[in-house]
Amino acid sequence: DIQMTQSPFTLSASVGDRVTITCRASQSISRWLAWYQQKPGKAPKLLIYRASSLENGVPSRFSGSGSGTEFTLTISSLQPDDFAAYYCQQYNDYPWTFGQGTKVEIK
Amino acid sequence: EVQLSESGGGLVQPGGSLRLSCAASGFTFSSYAMSWVRQAPGKGLEWVSDISGGGGGTYYADSVKGRFIIFRDYSKSTLYLQMNSLRAEDTAVYYCAKGGTSRAAFDFWGRGTLVTVSS
Repeated sequence: DIQMTQSPFTLSASVGDRVTITCRASQSISRWLAWYQQKPGKAPKLLIYRASSLENGVPSRFSGSGSGTEFTLTISSLQPDDFAAYYCQQYNDYPWTFGQGTKVEIK
Repeated sequence: EVQLSESGGGLVQPGGSLRLSCAASGFTFSSYAMSWVRQAPGKGLEWVSDISGGGGGTYYADSVKGRFIIFRDYSKSTLYLQMNSLRAEDTAVYYCAKGGTSRAAFDFWGRGTLVTVSS
């Protein structure tokens, strides 16, 4: 199975900060990587697919980059609505696997 | 508008069975892969199972293989997950999610249904 490792586990930041979350795959997944945002009690929401493609309706302050085994999600200017958990997911090979999640908290 | 609505969750004893349903609308159901993803209380996301648009391909996480069965009813545009031999560690919110016509991320999710396995 492909292991997905996110860092950090928790991130404390302020409104307006630039935030970067890293996701590493245990083997190459090309660009078959997605990022999701999840708020408490809600379903996950797709932000980024194919490593860097922005899902329709997602604000442009979100961006993704990387290929192979190293990927990043960047929020260029953190907004109050962005405090949530973020998960990466590989869909290169079954079983699909998620990172353990990164919680973005208010500093 | 794409809508996914899960039902069928509840409290079940260890060793028991439960069938989850996910009613889909707003897209051509037969064209898209569908999935089940679960989330144990306070934990992260875990992919459970996939079924191809045509239903010919099914895939399972090792943790549920041999116990869970995924299937779909095209006449009802509904996805199912038959869960047998349930264990305490199957306790989670179960989400259905829409995939793509080929390899794709989950672009729409239902609100989830809670399954609690306890005596």
